Amino acid sequence: ETGVTQTPRHLVMGMTNKKSLKCEQHLGHNAMYWYKQSAKKPLELMFVYNFKEQTENNSVPSRFSPECPNSSHLFLHLHTLQPEDSALYLCASSHLLREMDEQYFGPGTRLTVT
Amino acid sequence: KNQVEQSPQSLIILEGKNCTLQCNYTVSPFSNLRWYKQDTGRGPVSLTIMTFSENTKSNGRYTATLDADTKQSSLHITASQLSDSASYICVVSRGVGGSASKIIFGSGTRLSIRP
Repeated sequence: ETGVTQTPRHLVMGMTNKKSLKCEQHLGHNAMYWYKQSAKKPLELMFVYNFKEQTENNSVPSRFSPECPNSSHLFLHLHTLQPEDSALYLCASSHLLREMDEQYFGPGTRLTVT
Repeated sequence: KNQVEQSPQSLIILEGKNCTLQCNYTVSPFSNLRWYKQDTGRGPVSLTIMTFSENTKSNGRYTATLDADTKQSSLHITASQLSDSASYICVVSRGVGGSASKIIFGSGTRLSIRP
């Protein structure tokens, strides 16, 4: 285990549902990230939080809403998703300015939008 | 444009054989290069990390090389095992840490080991 946990591991939701993904890191890191991984595509960075402050939003549609209540927890709130949003959503954490900012990834949430 | 390209896209080899995966990048300024292993349905796990001054690094049966002049890296797997079946992702970082937007991911090589 990498010290980064994600729940749920699998999620099936309709386009009108509202759900949330949760990520927790136990590594004492100060930065957390959400990535989207679609089949045969590179990981796409969605959001970055440094010291609980959002520092990046890579043109992500507003139907994805992140929340970082503290440096150990990160949420991704989902509403009115589209089928093309089906993907593996990965959370990662790192310690800025240490270990060359190496990111440690969680196991991911496999999301299917029907 | 900052890009990381990996080849081949997929590879099938027999158990016990060796293989080499390639990574070419056009990222500048270069900071470091990592190889990650990602098992199906799991998050990526770091195998090696190399900076500009390093040209080879090993982690068990995995050996990564880096040629900063030609901007190429390779990952060599020796005596493959069934558990090596995974996607291998090359990741290049720009600058000196900080923003994750300075990290560029390759699309990965899907490696399958057959018994």
